[in-house]
Amino acid sequence: EVQLVESGGGLVQPGGSLRLSCAASGFTFSSYSMNWVRQAPGKGLEWVSYISSSSSTIYYADSVKGRFTISRDNAKNSLYLQMNSLRDEDTAVYYCARVWDSSGPFDYWGQGTLVTVSS
Amino acid sequence: QSVLTQPPSVSGAPGQRVTISCTGSSSNIGAGYDVHWYQQLPGTAPKLLIYGNSNRPSGVPDRFSGSKSGTSASLAITGLQAEDEADYYCQSYDSSLSASVFGGGTKLTVL
Repeated sequence: EVQLVESGGGLVQPGGSLRLSCAASGFTFSSYSMNWVRQAPGKGLEWVSYISSSSSTIYYADSVKGRFTISRDNAKNSLYLQMNSLRDEDTAVYYCARVWDSSGPFDYWGQGTLVTVSS
Repeated sequence: QSVLTQPPSVSGAPGQRVTISCTGSSSNIGAGYDVHWYQQLPGTAPKLLIYGNSNRPSGVPDRFSGSKSGTSASLAITGLQAEDEADYYCQSYDSSLSASVFGGGTKLTVL
């Protein structure tokens, strides 16, 4: 059974940093690209970042470019999102999601981890 | 302002048919990129409902169907049931943004 479990969310002050993790199991993690998607309270889904299976291709949404860094460790079956210079508008539930390729469907999602940016 | 445009809400009575539209542009849906649909029940993570414009993952009832034409796509739900009450999102890829893009979401209310 495919499982994606996010962790690392919490309350952080504006300008602060946080590192999210996503632990994958039930599939060959190194064969799949991965994404981070977020959802602000009461709002819709917003794609955040994409990383290919070998980490050779990485994309970011303009809203996080230069502040967030996506990475992965295939030996540990883990995906990460380093978030720096956090802003109020980064407050959201962050989901990791598996994808076939950069334009494919997000076929499995984690349960999400809440990041709250507030003073 | 989402790159893909969906109606904020739709509604229908049990047993009826409803459709949800998703309008894009020449850099995403119109460029030939597939459209995918997700269902998000209250308080849960999104779930893949339709992929590749019209394909259903295993376990998704055939009451759900998708189509695509030009720069738009549609999700149809027939035989509405109370359990279908949820938020629905379309998603595609945009070549000018080099990014996956979502619609703003449509809240389905079963009357």
